Amino acid sequence: QLVLTQSPSASASLGASVKITCTLSSGHSSYAIAWHQQQPEKGPRYLMKLNSDGSHSKGDGIPDRFSGSSSGAERYLTISSLQSEDEADYYCQTWGTSVVFGGGTKLTVL
Amino acid sequence: QVQLVQSGAEVKKPGASVKVSCKASGYTFTSYDINWVRQATGQGLEWMGWMNPNSGNTGYAQKFQGRVTMTRNTSISTAYMELSGLRSEDTAVYYCARGIAAAGLYYFDYWGQGTLVTVSS
Repeated sequence: QLVLTQSPSASASLGASVKITCTLSSGHSSYAIAWHQQQPEKGPRYLMKLNSDGSHSKGDGIPDRFSGSSSGAERYLTISSLQSEDEADYYCQTWGTSVVFGGGTKLTVL
Repeated sequence: QVQLVQSGAEVKKPGASVKVSCKASGYTFTSYDINWVRQATGQGLEWMGWMNPNSGNTGYAQKFQGRVTMTRNTSISTAYMELSGLRSEDTAVYYCARGIAAAGLYYFDYWGQGTLVTVSS
């Protein structure tokens, strides 16, 4: 069964970098995913599509501070030069026989 | 620019139905699927299903089969999601999202602003 696993929370200091992880279930390590950001009290926003080889394509207007990478079954979202507005929930998403979302990671900017 | 604008908040009684609209602009409405995703307070995202606005074909998550209906009016570039047999657990924010398939992945590149549906007696 296709499952995406995310740590519930992450934190990093203003101006620092943070890496958020999404892990694909066994047998699905070749799958691409998408990352979405949801700021407090707002709807989700598409950040990027991330392939198994680490190549990625970002959505309109997404700053260069956001990047993606991959290793095996893990998909990463790295945010550098953290700003206060990066404090948000981050969801990974993929498709098997239906759409699958990870449980989300709540990022706190200290 | 691409925009998905949803209808306003709704309050419904248990057992009733709700119909939420999603008006698309900035692109050719019939060229991309519209999906519906919901989020209960403090919870994660839950996918409900997709609709192809060109053909009208739909696909629903198993959990919602028999209770959800997705339709469209191409003349006004608007998609609709109707959920019947409402219960308190259906209280959530409902989002429409544009679906795109590229290089082996189906994902959402634009989202609506959300519609709060409250089910309460």
